[in-house]
Amino acid sequence: KQEVTQIPAALSVPEGENLVLNCSFTDSAIYNLQWFRQDPGKGLTSLLLIQSSQREQTSGRLNASLDKSSGRSTLYIAASQPGDSATYLCAVRGVKAAGNKLTFGGGTRVLVKP
Amino acid sequence: NAGVTQTPKFQVLKTGQSMTLQCAQDMNHEYMSWYRQDPGMGLRLIHYSVGAGITDQGEVPNGYNVSRSTTEDFPLRLLSAAPSQTSVYFCASSRGTSGTDTQYFGPGTRLTVL
Repeated sequence: KQEVTQIPAALSVPEGENLVLNCSFTDSAIYNLQWFRQDPGKGLTSLLLIQSSQREQTSGRLNASLDKSSGRSTLYIAASQPGDSATYLCAVRGVKAAGNKLTFGGGTRVLVKP
Repeated sequence: NAGVTQTPKFQVLKTGQSMTLQCAQDMNHEYMSWYRQDPGMGLRLIHYSVGAGITDQGEVPNGYNVSRSTTEDFPLRLLSAAPSQTSVYFCASSRGTSGTDTQYFGPGTRLTVL
């Protein structure tokens, strides 16, 4: 059974510092991995999707890497801003999963202090 | 393009009542799904649909029914609400089920069952 873990559960950094968020998964047979952002009381906003054949994806200040063989993904957010404060979730779509099922990690709650 | 919309945003039910959570998308996506989000449990898949007329169970389907009569709509029915169904419910959609298909989430419905 696929399990997804995100450590740490919470992170606090001063504004301007780079953020490094970790995600690990137990079964490397995946189609893709997605990173989401969730603001308090809100839905999930898709940030990046990395296909299993890719090593990284970039969008603006965000860069996500994928090492499928070791079961790890890292989301880098450059020059953090207070507006980056949110919970970040990673989710994998496994090859053995029914439909388009995503298995989610527990999330990392980020606070960027001005 | 409204994306994925959900109604209502908030709902309070008494044990034993029934209700329908509405989900609609205007992106002509074939795949739709329902998740529930609970503290310490993450997001878990309830039901999903790969197209109009086709639905299937996820990992926590008990107590919920779905139907998909149109591509746009995917309502979730609670047959007889129980306190264990207190949760935040998210609807998601994607173009298809390939490894390149990003999943988009609605804003959620916060349900309390007394």
